[in-house]
Amino acid sequence: GAVVSQHPSWVICKSGTSVKIECRSLDFQATTMFWYRQFPKQSLMLMATSNEGSKATYEQGVEKDKFLINHASLTLSTLTVTSAHPEDSSFYICSASVGRENNEQFFGPGTRLTVL
Amino acid sequence: GQNIDQPTEMTATEGAIVQINCTYQTSGFNGLFWYQQHAGEAPTFLSYNVLDGLEEKGRFSSFLSRSKGYSYLLLKELQMKDSASYLCAPMDSNYQLIWGAGTKLIIKP
Repeated sequence: GAVVSQHPSWVICKSGTSVKIECRSLDFQATTMFWYRQFPKQSLMLMATSNEGSKATYEQGVEKDKFLINHASLTLSTLTVTSAHPEDSSFYICSASVGRENNEQFFGPGTRLTVL
Repeated sequence: GQNIDQPTEMTATEGAIVQINCTYQTSGFNGLFWYQQHAGEAPTFLSYNVLDGLEEKGRFSSFLSRSKGYSYLLLKELQMKDSASYLCAPMDSNYQLIWGAGTKLIIKP
């Protein structure tokens, strides 16, 4: 149980285009979903936290107009990187939890984005 | 501020035991997680401690001392597949995980 999927696994795009990444909880309803970014040999960096039906809470320094997050249902959240640039190339990972207290975050397999 | 301190890298021999230490400072505390992350992959859950003491789960054990802001992950009977990064992640008063850079564990035959 507690499986989270991400799609696509990897994507290569041209500079200036937008890329959408989907995160799905397959066998549970996720109250909260988290979006992380990880550059090589660095720690996970939380970008935003989203709850179903409400606006995402972005971390300081993360541009909400550039990284659009939609959490339309209890099993689906999407991250859209708008007007992507080479510096946006990174490993994007989503996670989901079922509740606020204690709960471990179940991670998706990640999406590797390369912007040319 | 919030801070995680783990060794950057450790090396151990197949079949041996290794202990990865973690000290932390957080705004409030709601437990501490250990995750394993293989290169190019997302983290996978290993353990969760919220009370002081040792939690044993197969070859892996995790210890917590809240008063000392200290935890360790103990790996026994090391296997080559245990080569990975190990992330100590305490949860703060807002139930947010605080991530460090992790400890890269290298297992040698």
